[in-house]
Amino acid sequence: KNQVEQSPQSLIILEGKNCTLQCNYTVSPFSNLRWYKQDTGRGPVSLTIMTFSENTKSNGRYTATLDADTKQSSLHITASQLSDSASYICVVSANFGNEKLTFGTGTRLTIIP
Amino acid sequence: NAGVTQTPKFQVLKTGQSMTLQCAQDMNHNSMYWYRQDPGMGLRLIYYSASEGTTDKGEVPNGYNVSRLNKREFSLRLESAAPSQTSVYFCAGGLIAGSSYEQYFGPGTRLTVT
Repeated sequence: KNQVEQSPQSLIILEGKNCTLQCNYTVSPFSNLRWYKQDTGRGPVSLTIMTFSENTKSNGRYTATLDADTKQSSLHITASQLSDSASYICVVSANFGNEKLTFGTGTRLTIIP
Repeated sequence: NAGVTQTPKFQVLKTGQSMTLQCAQDMNHNSMYWYRQDPGMGLRLIYYSASEGTTDKGEVPNGYNVSRLNKREFSLRLESAAPSQTSVYFCAGGLIAGSSYEQYFGPGTRLTVT
């Protein structure tokens, strides 16, 4: 069964600090891996998408890495801001489209001043 | 979430009642999707429509029906609501962006069935 596991479940850090969120997956076949940010009460918003051949991808202060051999990904957030408080969801796609997505349960990140 | 709208934002139903969740997009998406999000679980696909006039079951279709009214609109219907359908429902549109196939989510509908 395809699965995406994220850790930690929740994380609290001080504003300005860096943090790294982890994602392990057992999805086959593999097409791409995505990280989404979901603010409370809103829909997920895409941060990055990486295919098999991409090891790292950045979007501002967000940097995602992918190790397709170990089936692990991480999302690193630099110089955190209060607006980074949200859930971060790792999603793995088994095809090019969006019909075979496996969603992780997310990491709830709280930034405190 | 710009481009994908959902109505209503909140809804409370009694067991056995029916309702339709509405979704519309103005981003020219070919594909549209309905998901549910439950505490402690990842989003799960209920139904999707790869193109106007077609619909297919996702992972958890039981108790739901859908209608792709036109390219812009994709509705989700609960014929006889059950407490197990208490959830947050998200509609999404799919668009090709470069070499990837992106998804854009609506703001969600929070449904409670008592």
